[in-house]
Amino acid sequence: GAVVSQHPSWVICKSGTSVKIECRSLDFQATTMFWYRQFPKQSLMLMATSNEGSKATYEQGVEKDKFLINHASLTLSTLTVTSAHPEDSSFYICSATRPRYNEQFFGPGTRLTVL
Amino acid sequence: AQTVTQSQPEMSVQEAETVTLSCTYDTSESDYYLFWYKQPPSRQMILVIRQEAYKQQNATENRFSVNFQKAAKSFSLKISDSQLGDAAMYFCAYLINYGGATNKLIFGTGTLLAVQP
Repeated sequence: GAVVSQHPSWVICKSGTSVKIECRSLDFQATTMFWYRQFPKQSLMLMATSNEGSKATYEQGVEKDKFLINHASLTLSTLTVTSAHPEDSSFYICSATRPRYNEQFFGPGTRLTVL
Repeated sequence: AQTVTQSQPEMSVQEAETVTLSCTYDTSESDYYLFWYKQPPSRQMILVIRQEAYKQQNATENRFSVNFQKAAKSFSLKISDSQLGDAAMYFCAYLINYGGATNKLIFGTGTLLAVQP
């Protein structure tokens, strides 16, 4: 149990376009989802915390207008990178938690390349 | 501020041997959890082992065990009988239990483990 999926697994887009990444909890209801960014050979950097039905909480230094997060249901959160630029190229990972569980379950990640 | 330090950027071990990865953390909280995650080349984060701070007994999962020294704020991972599949980036992580689902994970910088045949 506790499987989290992400779609797409990789995406290439042109500079200036927007890209949406989906994160789904497949076999449990996730009250909270987290979005991370990871550069090559570096650790995970938390971007935002997403709660179902409410606005996401962004970490300091993360542009909320650039990275739009929507947690529309207990099994789906989306991250939209708006007006993407080459510096937004990175590996984006989501995770989800269940109520009363102090553990995060991670998706397989999405590699974004902006040309 | 809560921080997690992994002082070994890279480690190497011979197949079938034992290796220990170091992790220290800084916190003033008393209720927290510690984790070791493995990230293989596929980049899927895999939970290796977890430790609740209130438990004195060190956690073990098959070939993986931890040495949890709460007073020293140390949480090292020992991998016994190393296998080629253990080669990966290992992240130590810390989570404060505020009683809700929004508890954040604080990650260390990672240790890249190579396993030599």
